[in-house]
Amino acid sequence: QVQLVESGGGVVQPGRSLRLSCAASGFTFNTYDMHWVRQAPGKGLEWVAVISYDGNNKYYADSVRGRFTISRDNSKNTLYLQMSSLRAEDTAVYYCAKQLDIVAPFDYWGQGTLVTVSS
Amino acid sequence: DIQMTQSPSSLSASVGDRVTITCRASQGISNSLAWYQQKPGKAPKLLLYAASKLESGVPSRFSGGGSGTDYTLTISSLQPEDSATYYCQQYYSTAHTFGQGTKLQIK
Repeated sequence: QVQLVESGGGVVQPGRSLRLSCAASGFTFNTYDMHWVRQAPGKGLEWVAVISYDGNNKYYADSVRGRFTISRDNSKNTLYLQMSSLRAEDTAVYYCAKQLDIVAPFDYWGQGTLVTVSS
Repeated sequence: DIQMTQSPSSLSASVGDRVTITCRASQGISNSLAWYQQKPGKAPKLLLYAASKLESGVPSRFSGGGSGTDYTLTISSLQPEDSATYYCQQYYSTAHTFGQGTKLQIK
C-alpha cells in the first residue's frame, strides 16, 4: 500500500537550515507530482511547495519562496524540502503529500515531521 | 494565489443533525475543489474531490456541491466520529491553497 514517511524534523535556531525527507513506497513515484504542506501548532493547513513528477517544475508559496527548495530523487523514491534562513514562523508539522492525478487533490499524506525554530 | 474562505470557523451540532460548511474562492475554480477531514494529531484525509465526487471508502452521508466560486460540504446525519476539523482546498491553480478550516464539535 502507499506509504509516505517524513523525517528530518527537529529543533533548529533561527537563521539556520534543515532538510526534510519523505520516503515514498507502494506506488510509481516518478509519475506523480508531490507537495509539501505545513501546519503551525493549533493552526490550519498551509500549502508550501509542489514539484512535478520529473522534477522539472517547482512552485512555492510566497511565504517560503527564496528560502525553501523542493527537490526529488526518483531513483530513491524520495522527496526533499531544503529549508534555509529559518524563522520562528516556520515552526510547524510538515507533511508530504501525493497528488491523486493531473489537476487533482492529495490522496495520500505522510504522518508529518515537526520542525521547531527556536533559539 | 487563490484565496479560500470557509465559514463558519467552528460549529457545534448534535448527533443526527444535518450540517453544512461553505467555502468561497477568490476567483472561479471550475469545480477543482476538495474537502478534507482532520482529527487531532493525524494527517488530513481526503473526503471529496471535483466538488462532489466521494473518495472511495467515505460514508455516503458526506456530500459536496457548488460551482464557480461557492462550494459546500454537507453531512446529512451527523455521527460522533465526525467530530474533526474540515478543510476545503482548491487545486485549480498550481498553489493548491486551503481554507482556514471549520472545527466541528458534537454536542
